[in-house]
Amino acid sequence: EAGVAQSPRYKIIEKRQSVAFWCNPISGHATLYWYQQILGQGPKLLIQFQNNGVVDDSQLPKDRFSAERLKGVDSTLKIQPAKLEDSAVYLCASSYTSGSSGEQFFGPGTRLTVL
Amino acid sequence: SQELEQSPQSLIVQEGKNLTINCTSSKTLYGLYWYKQKYGEGLIFLMMLQKGGEEKSHEKITAKLDEKKQQSSLHITASQPSHAGIYLCGADTDDKIIFGKGTRLHILP
Repeated sequence: EAGVAQSPRYKIIEKRQSVAFWCNPISGHATLYWYQQILGQGPKLLIQFQNNGVVDDSQLPKDRFSAERLKGVDSTLKIQPAKLEDSAVYLCASSYTSGSSGEQFFGPGTRLTVL
Repeated sequence: SQELEQSPQSLIVQEGKNLTINCTSSKTLYGLYWYKQKYGEGLIFLMMLQKGGEEKSHEKITAKLDEKKQQSSLHITASQPSHAGIYLCGADTDDKIIFGKGTRLHILP
């Protein structure tokens, strides 16, 4: 079974530029998550999708971050414009279902450096 | 909001030694996940605990959730270089996982 795919793996941009990350979850997984992991911290949930609908985006900085999952499969996360404090690893995860029974499978992450 | 505190933050042990990592929650745990992360990689699921007093094992790794469901421990027996990495505990809350900051484990050959 193919795992969660993410691209790019690394990205370096200057502040105020825009950047987009892509995630393809495991086939058949209805729930997709985007996490931000700052160095030395645990992952923080940014947004959770159930199929193509948003379940939770309470911690997404909506003035600069946006995410979509148009066809209920792959997803993109965008930052526009980027700030220095956005430097982090962005992890995508998927699960067959949400809730306590839904083990999450993580992709390798995209490491973003904002200069 | 629920918070998880992991201890120690960092751990260096000699290969072959046993070790324990703790995860303490500010609220009752209704589901507790343990994940492992290697540098530059995503998280790998180790196990999930739900019942007070529950204990699960996977190879040489054992995790336990205490009776009061506010603390979990992860124990590695006879550590190996392959055990090196960051161990993260996560609490299942409102259909999402809140993670601790992680414990960095280094294994000395």
